[in-house]
Formats: sequence, C-alpha cells, structure tokens
Amino acid sequence: GAGVSQSPSNKVTEKGKDVELRCDPISGHTALYWYRQRLGQGLEFLIYFQGNSAPDKSGLPSDRFSAERTGESVSTLTIQRTQQEDSAVYLCASSLEPGINQPQHFGDGTRLSIL
Amino acid sequence: QQQVKQSPQSLIVQKGGIPIINCAYENTAFDYFPWYQQFPGKGPALLIAIRPDVSEKKEGRFTISFNKSAKQFSLHIMDSQPGDSATYFCAAKDTSYGKLTFGQGTILTVHP
Repeated sequence: GAGVSQSPSNKVTEKGKDVELRCDPISGHTALYWYRQRLGQGLEFLIYFQGNSAPDKSGLPSDRFSAERTGESVSTLTIQRTQQEDSAVYLCASSLEPGINQPQHFGDGTRLSIL
Repeated sequence: QQQVKQSPQSLIVQKGGIPIINCAYENTAFDYFPWYQQFPGKGPALLIAIRPDVSEKKEGRFTISFNKSAKQFSLHIMDSQPGDSATYFCAAKDTSYGKLTFGQGTILTVHP
C-alpha cells in the first residue's frame, strides 16, 4: 500500500460522543493535511503539519476539533462532543513537502455520521 | 479573498463532447492551480496543475487554460468518455502556505 491510508472508513456515533480519526501518510511525506468535505460541497481546510514546525490550525472550526501528528508519521484528528453538523467526510492528504509543485495525495476519507 | 468560485455546478455532455469547467479567484498570492477528479467513495486525485507563468498546459485529453489578468482558469476535457463521469474540483494555493483552497466542485456526466 503506497497510498494515504485512513481509518475507519465509516464511523457512526451518537451526538455528544468523542471520535478519533486516523491517517497514515505516504512514507517519506513530510507534509500532512486534514480537510472536511460536506455532502455536495468542496473541501474545507482544517489543519496542516509540516515536519517539526508548529501546525497551521487556522481551519479548525471550533475548539472541539484537535489533531496530533507523531513525527512524520501517523496523525489523528479528534472531535469532542460531536454535533450533527460535524457529519461529513474527513479527508487526509500528504505531500513530499509543502513547496512548489508538490502534489497532495489524498486518502479515501472517513465518512462520519452523527446521529 | 480566499475563495475560489467554480462553475457550473453540474454538466452533462455526450461522448466525444468537450466539457469546460471554469474557476475564478481573488487572491493574487495564489501561484499554483491544480485540478482534482473525484469518484464516489474515493478521495480526490490530482489530474493536472498549472503555474501562473504559463497560459496553457495539456496532459493527454485534459487541458488547463489560465488567464492571469482575469484571475480565471478552466479545465477542458477533449473527446470526453463515460469513464470521465466524476466530480471535478479546481483548487488554488499560495505556496508560502500548505493548504489548498478548493472550488465547490462540478459534477460531470458523460452519456454514451
């Protein structure tokens, strides 16, 4: 598996519960991104990690959302006290570095449904 | 200023037709413009990308046209096939930052 891997592929949970989404980037990719895609919409940027630099959290919609990344490997996106408006597909992408002409490679996402 | 506006929302063409999808942006700091193709249940996949110092780029049946003064760019799909039926997203990036700013997407249907 050379691509970006996300788990779980689907998650159904009750309003108010916490959820944790996982992303395994392509090996060697130093940059990692999380995006949210609501039904029929484009992708909204959430957060971006680059190496050991402080992450760019400017897209996180509220303090219920947080993300971590261990070195240049796995990342987890955590949503606390989930709300129905959090229902969406959460996509992770990675790239060799965030510079010019480095394409972002996407996983297939986690489809999150809040009941 | 961070928005990328994409049109049309949906597009239906016959096989062999040339669908055209348009995008416009405001932020003059954007300097990288990729197009992504997304099939249902899958993540977006990069199709083709352009920098603003080039007015046109072609890869196979896909062509990007770029008009820097108008801050617009478009995707043309030559000799479209039913297998091209998918959602297409334009995006833009200021390479000083990591994130992509996406358009709202165009659902393309190519009838046999």
